[in-house]
Amino acid sequence: DIQMTQSPSTLSASVGDRVTITCRASQTISRWLAWYQQRPGKAPKLLIYRASFLERGVPSRFSGSGSGTAFTLTISSLQPDDFATYYCQHYDDYPWTFGQGTKVEIK
Amino acid sequence: EVQLVETGGGLIQPGGSLRLLCAASGFSVSNTSINWVRQAPGRGLEWVSVLESDGNTHYADSLKGRFTISRDNSKNTFYLQMNSLRAEDTAVYYCATGAIVLEYWGHGTLVTVSS
Repeated sequence: DIQMTQSPSTLSASVGDRVTITCRASQTISRWLAWYQQRPGKAPKLLIYRASFLERGVPSRFSGSGSGTAFTLTISSLQPDDFATYYCQHYDDYPWTFGQGTKVEIK
Repeated sequence: EVQLVETGGGLIQPGGSLRLLCAASGFSVSNTSINWVRQAPGRGLEWVSVLESDGNTHYADSLKGRFTISRDNSKNTFYLQMNSLRAEDTAVYYCATGAIVLEYWGHGTLVTVSS
């Protein structure tokens, strides 16, 4: 199975900060990577697919990049609604797997 | 509008069985891949299973042989049959679908495995 590793596990930041989360795959997955946001008690929400394609309705301050084994999610200017946990997920082949999550906290 | 509603969760003793349901609306389950994803309390997301539109099924390696995914096209509903349940299966179970990845999610149903 492909393992997904995110870093950091927790990130403390302030409103307006630029934030970057990294996701690494244990083997190449081309650009078959998605990012999700999850707020406490809620279902995950798709933000980005195919590494860099923004899901409709998602603010443009979110962006994704990378290919192969290394990927990043960037929030250009953190907003109050963005304090949440973020997960990467590959869909190169089954079984799909998620990263362990990155919690973005208020500094 | 695509909607997914999970039901069937609850408290079950170790070794028991439970069947989760996911009622879909706004699309047909017969021509869409459907997934189950779970989240143990305070933990991350774990992909569980998929039923592809062509009928192929796939499971997380840790679950093979205990869980079975299926669908009823006439009811536009799909299912997760869970057998030989263990304490580590305690989680919120989400059904999810999408054209590419998991664009649409239900609200989840809680399964608690405890004596």
